[in-house]
Amino acid sequence: DSGVTQTPKHLITATGQRVTLRCSPRSGDLSVYWYQQSLDQGLQFLIQYYNGEERAKGNILERFSAQQFPDLHSELNLSSLELGDSALYFCASSEQGGSLSGELFFGEGSRLTVL
Amino acid sequence: DAKTTQPPSMDCAEGRAANLPCNHSTISGNEYVYWYRQIHSQGPQYIIHGLKNNETNEMASLIITEDRKSSTLILPHATLRDTAVYYCIVRALSANQAGTALIFGKGTTLSVSS
Repeated sequence: DSGVTQTPKHLITATGQRVTLRCSPRSGDLSVYWYQQSLDQGLQFLIQYYNGEERAKGNILERFSAQQFPDLHSELNLSSLELGDSALYFCASSEQGGSLSGELFFGEGSRLTVL
Repeated sequence: DAKTTQPPSMDCAEGRAANLPCNHSTISGNEYVYWYRQIHSQGPQYIIHGLKNNETNEMASLIITEDRKSSTLILPHATLRDTAVYYCIVRALSANQAGTALIFGKGTTLSVSS
């Protein structure tokens, strides 16, 4: 158990809909990262938040947005869903203070299926 | 971050050592070599990391060549549960407390068989 909690574990929805994925980082971790993993693209970095502020952006679509709340949990919002958005979405958090290990701790993911 | 090159797949017999190579010829002086693995759609799991010295922990050993252009992850006694995709990632540590994202490549699929 990494200590990172993601909900829901599974989600099935239709094209055009909007969903929200939630992530609770490890206690005390200030950085949260979102990744998308689809069969043909591998693990793609989407976005990073640090203490409530956006810190880095990866291959995140304009239809997707994220935020980190004062209690440090994060939400990834996916809108106008397309079939190609079906994927595993992982959240990770990193140790407070950017420790020398630089280790990221990953949750078990949210599996999104768009029909 | 520097790119890495890994073989797409490798096989290993249970109980034998698994040696997973990684090339990172454009690595910079401040970049570390990280290894993660992902077991069947679970979240990636940290294995080990190093800068220039060889490292060992309870999971694996990391051997980095003197010129730092390549490295090898060694699982000394592979078990069936080590079957996974192994990712070699080169990354500089963040200069501040925010940390930096890991950029994953395609990794090596290690299949351990009995």
